[in-house]
Amino acid sequence: DTGVSQDPRHKITKRGQNVTFRCDPISEHNRLYWYRQTLGQGPEFLTYFQNEAQLEKSRLLSDRFSAERPKGSFSTLEIQRTEQGDSAMYLCASWMTSGKTYEQYFGPGTRLTVT
Amino acid sequence: SQKIEQNSEALNIQEGKTATLTCNYTNYSPAYLQWYRQDPGRGPVFLLLIRENEKEKRKERLKVTFDTTLKQSLFHITASQPADSATYLCALGVGGGATNKLIFGTGTLLAVQP
Repeated sequence: DTGVSQDPRHKITKRGQNVTFRCDPISEHNRLYWYRQTLGQGPEFLTYFQNEAQLEKSRLLSDRFSAERPKGSFSTLEIQRTEQGDSAMYLCASWMTSGKTYEQYFGPGTRLTVT
Repeated sequence: SQKIEQNSEALNIQEGKTATLTCNYTNYSPAYLQWYRQDPGRGPVFLLLIRENEKEKRKERLKVTFDTTLKQSLFHITASQPADSATYLCALGVGGGATNKLIFGTGTLLAVQP
């Protein structure tokens, strides 16, 4: 257990529905990242936050995706009007910028299946 | 185009042997490179980091090398054990410490046979 939690662990939804995932990072970590991982591939960067500010978004993040970190603690990732191509594992990771390493701590992921 | 390539095939080795995994990249200038382990259905777990000005790092049975001229990192597990069986991911740190944004390779599946 890395100290990063994600909820839910699994989500099955029908195409066109909206889904929201939550990530709780390690409490003192000010940086939070979201990645997406499809089968047989490595994680792909989606976006990251420094405290509550979203500092970068990947071109992979279409208009249907939105992420927030309202109080600089937990974060949510919402996908609107889901498509089958959104089926993937969504991972979040946290990091403390004032720490001595660049190690990112990953949560267990949320597995999304769009039917 | 930018690419990160790891051993395309799964790696099968006998217990006790040394496993060597490769990570090659093109059109990136990473400040550092990290290696992660990922077990099925779980998030990646950090193993080692090597900076661009370092040639080699060791941690217990793990050793990583980094050649910025060849644009290659090698990851070695000595005296391998069945418990080492997992997917190993290399990740380039692009944007330096300011972003700590990681670009991952596709991973290499390692199977250690008893």
